Amino acid sequence: DAGVTQSPTHLIKTRGQQVTLRCSPKSGHDTVSWYQQALGQGPQFIFQYYEEEERQRGNFPDRFSGHQFPNYSSELNVNALLLGDSALYLCASSTRDPGWGELFFGEGSRLTVL
Amino acid sequence: GENVEQHPSTLSVQEGDSAVIKCTYSDSASNYFPWYKQELGKRPQLIIDIRSNVGEKKDQRIAVTLNKTAKHFSLHITETQPEDSAVYFCAASEVTGGGNKLTFGTGTQLKVEL
Repeated sequence: DAGVTQSPTHLIKTRGQQVTLRCSPKSGHDTVSWYQQALGQGPQFIFQYYEEEERQRGNFPDRFSGHQFPNYSSELNVNALLLGDSALYLCASSTRDPGWGELFFGEGSRLTVL
Repeated sequence: GENVEQHPSTLSVQEGDSAVIKCTYSDSASNYFPWYKQELGKRPQLIIDIRSNVGEKKDQRIAVTLNKTAKHFSLHITETQPEDSAVYFCAASEVTGGGNKLTFGTGTQLKVEL
């Protein structure tokens, strides 16, 4: 079982650019959540997808968008990057049945915005 | 929305001693309380979780207690070992049919000294 896989592991962008991060959930999981973890902080919820729709969203601007594909994998897109978007972006997968249960996190994509 | 406060931010103990980390939450609707361990450069990993219909849960050297009335929950690690050194995050969530959005605390850096 490969667990949750994320790509790329590291990337560097400049202000104003756009970035796409990718996530494949753990086998058997149908739900994907994205979290932003700034250095020295706890993860902050961005949004959650299942059945290819955004189901819940945290306090993040519309520059943050996502998508879930029929195979349950997901993408996180961030437009018009700001310096403050530099962080570790974590993908977590889970299953709705039964009762959501444990979130399994990937190793994350570390984004640096210059 | 939910707000989770975590104390202390750093904790240093001698090997073999016990460690206690405390969290408070604000939303009385929260019903799921996981604890994650994150080693440097690694993904958060679930170490124990508790649901609101249970007051205490134990797994070998790790235990979690929940006081719903006071909106407090705590992590207890007994017989600490050097490999317990890591950052620990508490989290709270209202698990509903609509999803499982975790709100994390700010983390506790635990250092177990020989």
